[in-house]
Amino acid sequence: AQSVTQPDIHITVSEGASLELRCNYSYGATPYLFWYVQSPGQGLQLLLKYFSGDTLVQGIKGFEAEFKRSQSSFNLRKPSVHWSDAAEYFCAVGAPSEEYGNKLVFGAGTILRVKS
Amino acid sequence: DADVTQTPRNRITKTGKRIMLECSQTKGHDRMYWYRQDPGLGLRLIYYSFDVKDINKGEISDGYSVSRQAQAKFSLSLESAIPNQTALYFCATSEAPGNEKLFFGSGTQLSVL
Repeated sequence: AQSVTQPDIHITVSEGASLELRCNYSYGATPYLFWYVQSPGQGLQLLLKYFSGDTLVQGIKGFEAEFKRSQSSFNLRKPSVHWSDAAEYFCAVGAPSEEYGNKLVFGAGTILRVKS
Repeated sequence: DADVTQTPRNRITKTGKRIMLECSQTKGHDRMYWYRQDPGLGLRLIYYSFDVKDINKGEISDGYSVSRQAQAKFSLSLESAIPNQTALYFCATSEAPGNEKLFFGSGTQLSVL
């Protein structure tokens, strides 16, 4: 079964600074990988996803993530953080098979705080 | 209007009470899911349904049951609520395989006293 680790529970960055949120996964083959964002009082919104192909994927709101098979990682990055990026971020992994359908396993989340 | 609607948004109940959380969707998706979110644990899958006649247990189904009344409706019940079921509950939908994006409702905050 797949699993996901987000090592950082909280991260604080200054507005305008760069951001990297870490995600490590465990799965026997190449998984489907996702980053979701949850703003306070809201459901989760998909930022980006990786299924195959180019290992650097672009998402919404200026985010990108890079799949590194050798490190079993899928870190999320943004060159310049805006105050509106303050939220909780979840990495998720899915097993690409009909048997598992769309059941995703989520990491524990990383809370991003942005200071002015 | 939201594509995935959960009711109620907030609920406080007492230990031993039966509670139903409802989810409806207008996206026309066959697949629906119930997750619970606890601080530090992320989201964990309770039940999922790939179509009206297909119901499956997720990672943490004990103490919960579900009903898929129609393609658009998927309800989660707590037969006898207990305090450790206090959590934020999310309903989600997705299309058939080939598009694994989940669409989430806004959540139901349940508190069991």
